[in-house]
Amino acid sequence: GEDVEQSLFLSVREGDSSVINCTYTDSSSTYLYWYKQEPGAGLQLLTYIFSNMDMKQDQRLTVLLNKKDKHLSLRIADTQTGDSAIYFCADTASKLTFGTGTRLQVTL
Amino acid sequence: DTEVTQTPKHLVMGMTNKKSLKCEQHMGHRAMYWYKQKAKKPPELMFVYSYEKLSINESVPSRFSPECPNSSLLNLHLHALQPEDSALYLCASSPGGGRDEKLFFGSGTQLSVL
Repeated sequence: GEDVEQSLFLSVREGDSSVINCTYTDSSSTYLYWYKQEPGAGLQLLTYIFSNMDMKQDQRLTVLLNKKDKHLSLRIADTQTGDSAIYFCADTASKLTFGTGTRLQVTL
Repeated sequence: DTEVTQTPKHLVMGMTNKKSLKCEQHMGHRAMYWYKQKAKKPPELMFVYSYEKLSINESVPSRFSPECPNSSLLNLHLHALQPEDSALYLCASSPGGGRDEKLFFGSGTQLSVL
């Protein structure tokens, strides 16, 4: 089956940039997504990228896609304490499959 | 209205109880989903309804019974659950249920089975 892997934890200082990485195995997705989950809450769609794009920028968020290496990343510029959450990448190769999730901790 | 509303937010039930989780959306979406999320894990798909018909059942035990009374409402009926069923249950919706659609999630029901 589809595997979507992420590193478990990332700690950054407020004001720095965060980079969250994701690798996937099935390359047939049309879109790849990033979702954010705050404690005790549901998932919020943050951004997405069409599979024929290399990069998408949306305010503080930059998504990079390397289809050859099946690697997706999310860069958050000027990270704030409100960005502390779990971030899931997801692809839609056969159904929406979530990555293992990366917990972002923002320190002062 | 871009919200998916789930009730209740928290539920504690015994193994012999019968309870229901409810989900509602008014975005005109025609696909609705149930996901189960254990602590520190990604959500796992349980059921998908598309145009009020069950289109996907991910081999979920029969103690979970979904129902879609109309395109705005989705229920999950619970009966004879086990402690390992304790989890966050998330409802989601999307415009039509196509493979690449963006999903909109509710805040979930935190279920504890004693």
